[in-house]
Amino acid sequence: KQEVTQIPAALSVPEGENLVLNCSFTDSAIYNLQWFRQDPGKGLTSLLLIQSSQREQTSGRLNASLDKSSGRSTLYIAASQPGDSATYLCAVRDNAGNMLTFGGGTRLMVKP
Amino acid sequence: DTEVTQTPKHLVMGMTNKKSLKCEQHMGHRAMYWYKQKAKKPPELMFVYSYEKLSINESVPSRFSPECPNSSLLNLHLHALQPEDSALYLCASSQEGVGSTEAFFGQGTRLTVV
Repeated sequence: KQEVTQIPAALSVPEGENLVLNCSFTDSAIYNLQWFRQDPGKGLTSLLLIQSSQREQTSGRLNASLDKSSGRSTLYIAASQPGDSATYLCAVRDNAGNMLTFGGGTRLMVKP
Repeated sequence: DTEVTQTPKHLVMGMTNKKSLKCEQHMGHRAMYWYKQKAKKPPELMFVYSYEKLSINESVPSRFSPECPNSSLLNLHLHALQPEDSALYLCASSQEGVGSTEAFFGQGTRLTVV
């Protein structure tokens, strides 16, 4: 059974810092990996999708990488802003079909 | 349009009530999902519909009854719930098959069972 782990569970940084969030998964037979943002009490907003054949995806200040063989993905946030404060979740989709397995999330606080 | 719309946003129901949660998408996605999320926990998969047929049921109690009346709509019927069922219920959709299966989530229904 796929297990997804995110480290750290919580992170507090001053505004302007570059930061890295980590996601690891136990079964490398994945179809894709997706990073989400969730604000308190709200739904999930898709940030980046990386297909299993890809190494990275970029959107604005966000860059996500994928090393499928080692079971790792990182989300890099450049020049963090207070508005980036949220919980960031990674989820992997397995090859078999429609199972999306989530990590526990990283709660990020960016202080002004 | 990458929107998944869930109604209602908030719901308070008694343990003897019957209510329904609704989810709608118009992206032509043929896979639709229900997730349950407790506070400070990740979403947990409940059900998956593929081409309007139930394909995954993650051993969810029968007091939760999903329904997919057409390719754009997904319902979750609730009956005789327990207080521990209070949570944020999230609906999601994605394409099926080869290619991008990016999942899009709605804003959720905050359910409180009293």
